[in-house]
Order: sequence, then C-alpha cells, then structure tokens
Amino acid sequence: AQSVAQPEDQVNVAEGNPLTVKCTYSVSGNPYLFWYVQYPNRGLQFLLKYITGDNLVKGSYGFEAEFNKSQTSFHLKKPSALVSDSALYFCAVRDARAGGFKTIFGAGTRLFVKA
Amino acid sequence: NAGVTQTPKFQVLKTGQSMTLQCAQDMNHNSMYWYRQDPGMGLRLIYYSASEGTTDKGEVPNGYNVSRLNKREFSLRLESAAPSQTSVYFCASSEGPMLTDTQYFGPGTRLTVL
Repeated sequence: AQSVAQPEDQVNVAEGNPLTVKCTYSVSGNPYLFWYVQYPNRGLQFLLKYITGDNLVKGSYGFEAEFNKSQTSFHLKKPSALVSDSALYFCAVRDARAGGFKTIFGAGTRLFVKA
Repeated sequence: NAGVTQTPKFQVLKTGQSMTLQCAQDMNHNSMYWYRQDPGMGLRLIYYSASEGTTDKGEVPNGYNVSRLNKREFSLRLESAAPSQTSVYFCASSEGPMLTDTQYFGPGTRLTVL
C-alpha cells in the first residue's frame, strides 16, 4: 500500500540558516512525488514535483528537493530560510500502479523560521 | 484568473442538517477533487471527477455526495451532517488525470457540525 511519512511534526530554524523538511514514501511502482505549502487559512500551493530524470528538483520560492530512490526519500530543502517560509508543508505521492487520482498526502510538517 | 474558488468560507451546522459546498475553477481543467483536512492526518480524498459527466469515490466517501454540474463546477453535499464531518474541506482541480498533473487548490471551507 502507498504511504507517505513526514517524521517531524515541527521544524525550527533561524532565518538565514538552511532548512530541511523530511519525507519518506512507500509505493509499489514508480513514485511521482510532490511538495505543497499551506499558509494560514489558505489552500495548498504547489511547490515542486519529481516525475523522472534529475534527482534534484528545483521549485518555487527557492525551494528544492532531492529524490533518493535507495532511501525512498524526497526531502525538501532551502539554502537560506526566510521568516516568510513559516508554514505547513505537505509531501504527497502518486503510484503509477494505483492510478492518477489516488494522491497520498503526509500528515504535514510545520516550519517555524525565527528572525 | 481566480483559479479555484469555494463557497462558503465558514459554516456551522447542527447535526442532521444538510448543506452543499460549492467549487468552481476557471483554468479549463478536466479533473476536479474534494478533500477533507483533519489535524495530523493530511488530506484525504472524498470524491473526484475525472472529466465532466463522471464522478467516483475516493478514500472517505461515506456521508457525502457530489455533482459535476459542468466543466467548471463541482459541488459536495452533506445530506445529514454529523459531528465527525467537522473538518476543513478543499476543492482542487488539475488539467487531467495523469500522474504528472499538478493539483491546484481552493482556499477551503471550514465546517463545524454541532
């Protein structure tokens, strides 16, 4: 069965420091991986996705994510955090064998960036 | 270009009451979705519509019905609301049902059932 784990409920970083939000996944086929961000009282906004090819994916607002097949991970990273990056981050996966409609979301990781 | 819009933004119902959540998209997308978001559980798919004229059950369909009114609009109906349906509801759309298609989300409806 498909699953997504975000092992940290909360991540705290200081402004200007690098940040990492972790995600691991389990699928039976090839994974299609997504990161979304949710600001307070807003819907989810798309950040980036991994479909195939280069393991390092670049997305919106300076975020990037590294796909690691052997570790089944897709961690979100940013070299220098901003206070405005504080939000709730969701990792999501689709499995080719399960079909395009079934997107499994992680429970979310709340990121706090301190000035 | 408003993207995905949802009405209402907030709603309080009493147990047993009914209501319809409205969703519309102006991106000419074929596929639309309804999710619920509960604390610590991420988003769970209630129903989806692959294309105009089709709907299908997702992960947690019990207690809900949907209507794909046209290509733009996809509504979610609670026939007899229960406290377990207290949640934040998100509508989303995507160009199609492909695995690679990105979903775009509306701002959400916060529903409380007393």
